[in-house]
Amino acid sequence: KAGVTQTPRYLIKTRGQQVTLSCSPISGHRSVSWYQQTPGQGLQFLFEYFSETQRNKGNFPGRFSGRQFSNSRSEMNVSTLELGDSALYLCASSLAATGGYTFGSGTRLTVV
Amino acid sequence: QQQVKQSPQSLIVQKGGISIINCAYENTAFDYFPWYQQFPGKGPALLIAIRPDVSEKKEGRFTISFNKSAKQFSLHIMDSQPGDSATYFCAATDSGGGADGLTFGKGTHLIIQP
Repeated sequence: KAGVTQTPRYLIKTRGQQVTLSCSPISGHRSVSWYQQTPGQGLQFLFEYFSETQRNKGNFPGRFSGRQFSNSRSEMNVSTLELGDSALYLCASSLAATGGYTFGSGTRLTVV
Repeated sequence: QQQVKQSPQSLIVQKGGISIINCAYENTAFDYFPWYQQFPGKGPALLIAIRPDVSEKKEGRFTISFNKSAKQFSLHIMDSQPGDSATYFCAATDSGGGADGLTFGKGTHLIIQP
């Protein structure tokens, strides 16, 4: 079966702009979570959605937001981009948010 | 409370040897401990995972050892191969929803020399 699909794979944005990233989970998976990966901070949890409801949120500013649709697809949005937002953004899906998270290949965001 | 400490940062092992990566956690509510393998340009791939009701789990050449009282767990890669060269992350979470997603270690860059 198809894995977790993230689009786009690469993105270059200018400081101050906003960006929307998309994630399609594995069919049947109802939990989608987002992570930011940087060389300095490693993998950090952004938020998790289960059945369209935000279940948990990590320690990121309000510029980072997300949502989940009824088909479990998820989007995350970053407004007023800063240079420090340059990172690999990873989406992971799980059947029931109790483990077994499968990651996508990520979206590489570069802010210039 | 949420931290997961991983060591070593980098590791070089000869082909056929045993690679050992260690992790320690603080939050006693954690009840799911996965290991992920990541190659450059790819997302992390789930390798093997353990829950605290067992002390060891083996899948092929990969074994997790878990010590609940010491709050430590480790990954052993037996008969290490050059194709195992990658970055490995340990992680932990409270599957009951009390934790903020997966808490990851900082990663171990493993190189298997032929």
